Amino acid sequence: DAKTTQPTSMDCAEGRAANLPCNHSTISGNEYVYWYRQIHSQGPQYIIHGLKNNETNEMASLIITEDRKSSTLILPHATLRDTAVYYCIVRSALFGNEKLTFGTGTRLTIIP
Amino acid sequence: GAVVSQHPSRVICKSGTSVKIECRSLDFQATTMFWYRQFPKQSLMLMATSNEGSKATYEQGVEKDKFLINHASLTLSTLTVTSAHPEDSSFYICSARDSKLIFPYEQYFGPGTRLTVT
Repeated sequence: DAKTTQPTSMDCAEGRAANLPCNHSTISGNEYVYWYRQIHSQGPQYIIHGLKNNETNEMASLIITEDRKSSTLILPHATLRDTAVYYCIVRSALFGNEKLTFGTGTRLTIIP
Repeated sequence: GAVVSQHPSRVICKSGTSVKIECRSLDFQATTMFWYRQFPKQSLMLMATSNEGSKATYEQGVEKDKFLINHASLTLSTLTVTSAHPEDSSFYICSARDSKLIFPYEQYFGPGTRLTVT
């Protein structure tokens, strides 16, 4: 699976949109971009995933660049409960390759 | 959404004893479950893939005789840490995928088990 690069940490004011970038310049055509987050001392929580089109759900939006080499996770109105480590993961669609490989992620702190 | 539970949430054991951690999918069937380990201030590291009715697949560097995995039913996988030592103290997390779903699908994670070996 392609590697990802994320900033180590970010701050965002409560109520503002949090934009978390992720670089995945070696992504291949059959690889999806997944986002998970982990609140302190809990198991990771699935947020969203996408292949090449932008995606939106009740939690967030995922914007993938046209060349697919980078993406941005957007939390539209950040709350204090969004403070967590956010992981961007690239995952192959090949049969049998189900593993999620976690990098170091971005520690997002929401400031009151 | 789909729920994965783990039991116990915390366990303290003495060095040399064995500890069993359970991972259950509560509202879906999971032919495949995954076990991760996370040390303080580090990311999750995949230990092994647990397959219902067959042997687990271990990642490189993970001792299969020390971390015994059993996936005896479509809703339960267990991880047994045998002859535990203080360096096995960690946060153990399982995840599962719904067998009915085809790729792409999300994995659902349990809340984790904090193991402390004294």
